[in-house]
Amino acid sequence: GAGVSQSPRYKVTKRGQDVALRCDPISGHVSLYWYRQALGQGPEFLTYFNYEAQQDKSGLPNDRFSAERPEGSISTLTIQRTEQRDSAMYRCASSPKTSGLAYEQYFGPGTRLTVT
Amino acid sequence: GESVGLHLPTLSVQEGDNSIINCAYSNSASDYFIWYKQESGKGPQFIIDIRSNMDKRQGQRVTVLLNKTVKHLSLQIAATQPGDSAVYFCAENKENAGNMLTFGGGTRLMVKP
Repeated sequence: GAGVSQSPRYKVTKRGQDVALRCDPISGHVSLYWYRQALGQGPEFLTYFNYEAQQDKSGLPNDRFSAERPEGSISTLTIQRTEQRDSAMYRCASSPKTSGLAYEQYFGPGTRLTVT
Repeated sequence: GESVGLHLPTLSVQEGDNSIINCAYSNSASDYFIWYKQESGKGPQFIIDIRSNMDKRQGQRVTVLLNKTVKHLSLQIAATQPGDSAVYFCAENKENAGNMLTFGGGTRLMVKP
């Protein structure tokens, strides 16, 4: 079956522009997670949703970052007024449960964001 | 494909040998520990996990060992194959913390044919 998909796969933007990154979770998965991964490092938690409700956004770096999942399926991570330090791989993961074992998170291929 | 990391600790092993990848974790309150494999251009893929009340767990060709005294986790891969070449990350999770994962630094495993 189809896995987690993310779009675009690559995004190059100029400093100061806003970007929106999209995540399509596996169909029926109720939880959705956003991570950011720098080269050579493991993914870093940003925020997550159970259904449409944002449960934790403690990992968002600052108020330029926001996320939504209005219908409990597709999610969008928005970065306003991008800065060069925002350049990274942004990964989405989904899970069929709202709780339980962490291995049930399935990761997407990521969006590589480059801010010039 | 895209490189996962450029300056990672690297373990180079001969095909057929056993591999041991180590990880130090930070949170003594974590409930689960997980090993992920990440191939170039792909997202992390679950390998095996272990609860904090266990010392050892075995899967197919893989064994995870947990030493809570020194907060150390290891992944042993038996009869390493070229397809095992990837970056490996350990992650920790606290069950009542929303299942968000805290990842450690990665180790690149290179398997020589």
